[in-house]
Amino acid sequence: NAGVTQTPKFQVLKTGQSMTLQCAQDMNHEYMSWYRQDPGMGLRLIHYSVGAGITDQGEVPNGYNVSRSTTEDFPLRLLSAAPSQTSVYFCASSAYLGPYEQYFGPGTRLTVT
Amino acid sequence: GQQLNQSPQSMFIQEGEDVSMNCTSSSIFNTWLWYKQDPGEGPVLLIALYKAGELTSNGRLTAQFGITRKDSFLNISASIPSDVGIYFCAGLSMDSNYQLIWGAGTKLIIKP
Repeated sequence: NAGVTQTPKFQVLKTGQSMTLQCAQDMNHEYMSWYRQDPGMGLRLIHYSVGAGITDQGEVPNGYNVSRSTTEDFPLRLLSAAPSQTSVYFCASSAYLGPYEQYFGPGTRLTVT
Repeated sequence: GQQLNQSPQSMFIQEGEDVSMNCTSSSIFNTWLWYKQDPGEGPVLLIALYKAGELTSNGRLTAQFGITRKDSFLNISASIPSDVGIYFCAGLSMDSNYQLIWGAGTKLIIKP
């Protein structure tokens, strides 16, 4: 099993550009989530999903969209990148129907100039 | 929003020393989780706690779910160089609705 995979590992965007961060898991987990991590802070939840076709907002959803068309994939779209979105983004999944005992991907380091 | 207070922010220790860190919340939690993050990687789950008073070990690590349900503690015994990293607590309250609340982390540094 590859676990949770994320692409790309690094990305630089200009303000106003859009892009999609990819996340996939091969563990047949129903619960998936996206977090951002900023220096000196804990992880903050952006969006989460409890199964295909079901998504919901987390603590900091503004400027981000998600969709969950399959159990395996949970892409995160930045609609119009802003410097405040410079961060490290982590995708995670759990076998439980909630954020218990999540497995995290390796992260995407995003810089917006 | 809800916050977790995690302390200390960082620790400088000698190899072989025991380490203690804790998290406190202003509200009651149903679940406490402890994660470790190495540089450039995602967090890895160390211990999950689901019941008040629960004491759970994972090798040299021991974590406790506080009786008041508003705090949790992590102890590392006889620290070794690979214990270096950032330790995060995270909790799930009755109001969380699938959303974990995370502490800001405790950075563990071993003195040469």
